[in-house]
Amino acid sequence: DIQMTQSPSTLSASVGDRVTITCRASQSIRSWLAWYQQKPGKAPKLLIYEASSLESGVPSRFSGSGSGTEFTLTISSLQPDDFATYYCQQYNSYSWTFGQGTKVEIK
Amino acid sequence: EVQLVESGGGLVQPGGSLRLSCAASGFTFSSYEMNWVRQAPGRGPEWVSFISSSGSPIYYADSVKGRFTISRDGANNSLYLQMSSLRAEDTAVYYCARDKLGLRGANDYWGQGTLVTVSS
Repeated sequence: DIQMTQSPSTLSASVGDRVTITCRASQSIRSWLAWYQQKPGKAPKLLIYEASSLESGVPSRFSGSGSGTEFTLTISSLQPDDFATYYCQQYNSYSWTFGQGTKVEIK
Repeated sequence: EVQLVESGGGLVQPGGSLRLSCAASGFTFSSYEMNWVRQAPGRGPEWVSFISSSGSPIYYADSVKGRFTISRDGANNSLYLQMSSLRAEDTAVYYCARDKLGLRGANDYWGQGTLVTVSS
């Protein structure tokens, strides 16, 4: 299986900060990467697919980049609603695998 | 409005069986590929199983292969997961998740989840 490694595991930031989360794949996944946001007690929500395509209804402050094995999720100006845990997921080859998550906390 | 509603979770003893259901509405169920994804307490999501819109192919995670069976019923717009030989490590919230149309693996809608607890 392809392993997905996210960094950092926890990130403390303030409203208005620019935030970047990194995801690394154990082998090339081309651009077959998604990013999800999850809040406590809720299901994950799709933010980005194909590494850089913004899902409908997701604010434009979220953006994704990368290809191959290195990917980033950027929040250009952190908003109060953005404090949550973020997961990357590869879907290049089954079985699809998720990263371990990055929790964005209030500083 | 797209809705996915899971049911069937509960407490089961190790070695027992359980059948999860997911009722889909608000979209043409027969056109979409579907998945089960689980999340153990305090852990990240783990993909469990996939079924194509036609019912084939079907894929399973190695951790459940031979013990879980995914199926779908187009007439009732429902997805199922038959789970047997359950283990403590199967304890998790189980979500059904829809693949984005034409993009196998990217899950654009998720249900609210149903909790499965395997314990004696």
